[in-house]
Amino acid sequence: EIVLTQSPATLSLSPGERATLSCGASQSVPSRYLAWYQQKPGLAPRLFIYDASTRATGIPDRFSGSGSGTDFTLTISRLEPEDFAVYYCQQYGSSPYSFGQGTKLEIK
Amino acid sequence: QVQLQESGPGLLKPSETLSLTCTVSGVSTSTYYWNWIRQPPGKGPEWIGYIYYSVSTRYNPSLKSRVTISIDTSKNQFSLRLRSVTAADTAVYYCARAGGYNYHFDSWGPGTLVTVSS
Repeated sequence: EIVLTQSPATLSLSPGERATLSCGASQSVPSRYLAWYQQKPGLAPRLFIYDASTRATGIPDRFSGSGSGTDFTLTISRLEPEDFAVYYCQQYGSSPYSFGQGTKLEIK
Repeated sequence: QVQLQESGPGLLKPSETLSLTCTVSGVSTSTYYWNWIRQPPGKGPEWIGYIYYSVSTRYNPSLKSRVTISIDTSKNQFSLRLRSVTAADTAVYYCARAGGYNYHFDSWGPGTLVTVSS
């Protein structure tokens, strides 16, 4: 099983700042099959990025994903108030599919 | 526009069987891969398994001995059964769609909280 480790656990930033979230895998993720989801309290996770760097429908271009192998990054270029939430990475290249434990992006 | 909605009992006693149904609208369950995912309070999600049409199923090995996922394409529904539940099975349970094998989850239901308590 591929174990995903996200860092930091909590990231405190202000609107307008740049956010960098990391996701490390215990072994290489095949074919860059890695996704990022945003989750707000009481709601289901929402797909933001798939195939490591492709934005899902309707996701603004301030969100970008990068990486391959065992190291992946979600970057938010300029934070908007609605971006503060928990973000999970997930790999779907190898069963069992697995999620990271999340990074909470909070307002500083 | 695909929509998914989970339904089922919200409270179970230890050793009982969890049974949930996901009703899908906007697309046929004869296509796509249909998944169950759960999220314990305050933790990250955990993939439970998927079903594709009536052709194949795949389960997380951590739950495989207790899980069955089935599908009823005539009702456009798929279901989860988890046997012999314990408090560790308390979680929000989500159904979700994937476009294929080894695919991301692009549509999710709102989730339903299942609590296991004596």
